Amino acid sequence: GIQVEQSPPDLILQEGANSTLRCNFSDSVNNLQWFHQNPWGQLINLFYIPSGTKQNGRLSATTVATERYSLLYISSSQTTDSGVYFCVGNYGQNFVFGPGTRLSVLP
Amino acid sequence: ETGVTQSPTHLIKTRGQQVTLRCSSQSGHNTVSWYQQALGQGPQFIFQYYREEENGRGNFPPRFSGLQFPNYSSELNVNALELDDSALYLCASSYYTREYYGYTFGSGTRLTVV
Repeated sequence: GIQVEQSPPDLILQEGANSTLRCNFSDSVNNLQWFHQNPWGQLINLFYIPSGTKQNGRLSATTVATERYSLLYISSSQTTDSGVYFCVGNYGQNFVFGPGTRLSVLP
Repeated sequence: ETGVTQSPTHLIKTRGQQVTLRCSSQSGHNTVSWYQQALGQGPQFIFQYYREEENGRGNFPPRFSGLQFPNYSSELNVNALELDDSALYLCASSYYTREYYGYTFGSGTRLTVV
């Protein structure tokens, strides 16, 4: 079946550090999204990025659809970046979440 | 613009009972999706509604059913509750055009089946 993989599963950073989260997907997607789930459980859409590169403040994302991967870059991390980052592949009318990367940013 | 509101926030039900969860979409969004998130796991897609019809479904049995109303609000119904149905149920509303993309989650309903 369709699989969305994410790495690393866990990441601990010191405040101010940069990081790269990776998402691999097993089949062609209609679109790809990145979400952040904060420690209180709220999911926030970060990027809708079926291909190419987008930037939003300290965050940016790149999807190379032909090679079936996407990267999320976090620069100058802050404690408020802590939480779980999910990559979501949209296959037709089905949405498949990856297992997530749990990020902890230490002060 | 208003966000996505889900009710109730918490609910406890007994195995075998039925439950209805509610979701109001963000203003201007015409599509609603429901997800189940077990503790420590990522959300699992249940189904999606567009123009009051189901137009996508994940790997969930028929006892999970839904409705979307003309104002784009939605309900998730689960019959014959099982202990494994205990989870956080998330609703998301969305709207796509060439110029705009929006996908907003509610805060969820935590369902406990005892």
